[in-house]
Amino acid sequence: DVQVVESGGGLVQPGGSLRLSCVASGFTFNNYAMSWVRQAPGAGLEWVAAITGSGSSTFYAASVKGRFTISRDNSKNTLFLHMNSLRAGDTAFYYCAKPYTSGWYSPFDSWGPGTLVTVSS
Amino acid sequence: DIQMTQSPSSLSASVGDRVTITCRASQGIGAYLAWYQQKPGQLPNLLIYAASTLQSGVPSRFSGSGSGTDFTLTISSLQAEDVATYYCQKHDTAPWTFGQGTKVEVE
Repeated sequence: DVQVVESGGGLVQPGGSLRLSCVASGFTFNNYAMSWVRQAPGAGLEWVAAITGSGSSTFYAASVKGRFTISRDNSKNTLFLHMNSLRAGDTAFYYCAKPYTSGWYSPFDSWGPGTLVTVSS
Repeated sequence: DIQMTQSPSSLSASVGDRVTITCRASQGIGAYLAWYQQKPGQLPNLLIYAASTLQSGVPSRFSGSGSGTDFTLTISSLQAEDVATYYCQKHDTAPWTFGQGTKVEVE
């Protein structure tokens, strides 16, 4: 079965940094582009970043561009999100999302349970 | 970037009612539009992709239509278990923007 599981969330001060990880199993990881999606408590879904299967191309939401970096280690079936200059507005559950197909134009059909990032002093 | 706008932001209807939710893209996205259902305390669940293709296992009372900039999610006969927030999402190119969500309640 397809499974993605996030880790690395926690409480961090404004201006701080954090690295999230997502370990994948049950599918050929390097065939799939992967994304991070976040959801602030009680709020809607916000796509954050994506990376191609090879890791050669990355894409970001305007709200995180220049502060967050998405990367992957295909040898370890792991996706990362490096977050710098964190702000209170970055407080959210962060989900690792796998697309339905290995094609680029695919919505997400598998989500991890999420990891909570809280930015507060 | 293309913006996705849903309407209404919330609605309340009776069991058995036909419910329609609209999603509008600020620019044309062809048929690259997905709908998700998120029940309280749960993860999002893909209902429809490519504007009108029902994901496997999704009840047939859900349907989607539209292309270009205007899209619709219809629940033909609302059930109590359909209480959830519904999101549209463009799935053509990055950024894969979501709509702000429509909360559906049962009267």
